[in-house]
Amino acid sequence: GAVVSQHPSRVICKSGTSVKIECRSLDFQATTMFWYRQFPKQSLMLMATSNEGSKATYEQGVEKDKFLINHASLTLSTLTVTSAHPEDSSFYICSAVTSGDETQYFGPGTRLLVL
Amino acid sequence: AQRVTQPEKLLSVFKGAPVELKCNYSYSGSPELFWYVQYSRQRLQLLLRHISRESIKGFTADLNKGETSFHLKKPFAQEEDSAMYYCALRGGSNYKLTFGKGTLLTVNP
Repeated sequence: GAVVSQHPSRVICKSGTSVKIECRSLDFQATTMFWYRQFPKQSLMLMATSNEGSKATYEQGVEKDKFLINHASLTLSTLTVTSAHPEDSSFYICSAVTSGDETQYFGPGTRLLVL
Repeated sequence: AQRVTQPEKLLSVFKGAPVELKCNYSYSGSPELFWYVQYSRQRLQLLLRHISRESIKGFTADLNKGETSFHLKKPFAQEEDSAMYYCALRGGSNYKLTFGKGTLLTVNP
């Protein structure tokens, strides 16, 4: 149980375009999901907390207008990187919290490359 | 503020040797501590959490509040244990995790 999926697994886009990444909890409902960014050989950096039915909470230094988060249902959160630039290239990981044991389960990540 | 420190970026041991991955934390309240593991090209997986006090894949970790530590130990390392290990802390009720920078464990044959 507690499987989290992400789509797409990798995406290449041109500078200036927007990219949407989906995060789904497949076998449980998650009122809270998180979005992280991971640079090569580095730890996870929390970007924002996604709460179902309410606005996301962003960490300090993360531009909310650049990284749009929508958590419209209990099983889906989306992260849209707007007007992407090469410096946005990274590995984006989501996690979802189970209500039972209140544990974060992680998705497989999405590799974004902005040309 | 909460902080997690993993002092070793790299740790290399031989198969069958004991291994200890260090984790120290800073938090003013009562934290919940976790160890996550990331095998090559795989997602982050929960290895264990201190409140369950269980042993997973032979690994154990004890929360030492006096030393503010949550070191991960295994008496006999296996090659398949080679992975990146992250210590994480959760303080408060918002489910947010603070991660350490991770330790890359390599178990040599």
